[in-house]
Amino acid sequence: GDSVTQMEGPVTLSEEAFLTINCTYTATGYPSLFWYVQYPGEGLQLLLKATKADDKGSNKGFEATYRKETTSFHLEKGSVQVSDSAVYFCALSGGSGGSNYKLTFGKGTLLTVNP
Amino acid sequence: GAVVSQHPSWVICKSGTSVKIECRSLDFQATTMFWYRQFPKQSLMLMATSNEGSKATYEQGVEKDKFLINHASLTLSTLTVTSAHPEDSSFYICIPGGRAEGGYTFGSGTRLTVV
Repeated sequence: GDSVTQMEGPVTLSEEAFLTINCTYTATGYPSLFWYVQYPGEGLQLLLKATKADDKGSNKGFEATYRKETTSFHLEKGSVQVSDSAVYFCALSGGSGGSNYKLTFGKGTLLTVNP
Repeated sequence: GAVVSQHPSWVICKSGTSVKIECRSLDFQATTMFWYRQFPKQSLMLMATSNEGSKATYEQGVEKDKFLINHASLTLSTLTVTSAHPEDSSFYICIPGGRAEGGYTFGSGTRLTVV
């Protein structure tokens, strides 16, 4: 079945540091890839997505590129802010070609940014 | 578009009682609804898939007699936690199916605490 592996946290950075959160996946077919963010006490929000190989998703300074050759979708941001502190989830859908495209999530990475 | 309303957003109940969680699609018809739960500091795990007008499909290890899912219409899916126990305390969230490329709009989630 489909699976998503993302780097274990927690990740603690100082403000303005560079962020990378690694994510690799296993899937048959051609999945769509997503990064979701969960701020403390809130539900999940879509951060960015990519639907085919070499696509780059971007939003709020975050970027991730769909790399089919390495089955990866690493999340990056050049300069993090305290307000970026949250849990980040990598996810995929549509990989197994099943109907209705259920989401498969990674375990999540807690990011804490200190001032 | 693709607005999902889930309520209650939080609920505290006594052990042994039942709790119903509703998930409504406000501006589209959801043939399929995925129900996930998230234990503290863990990822979202798929519990079951509900399809309008038919029986839900449960993931391995999820008790179908305990977590009753009803999807009687294209705009409403419900999850009832029967005879809740403290170990059922979790964050439950609904996600409509069939939107691989567009990303997903989540319900806001329901935080259930069983005391």
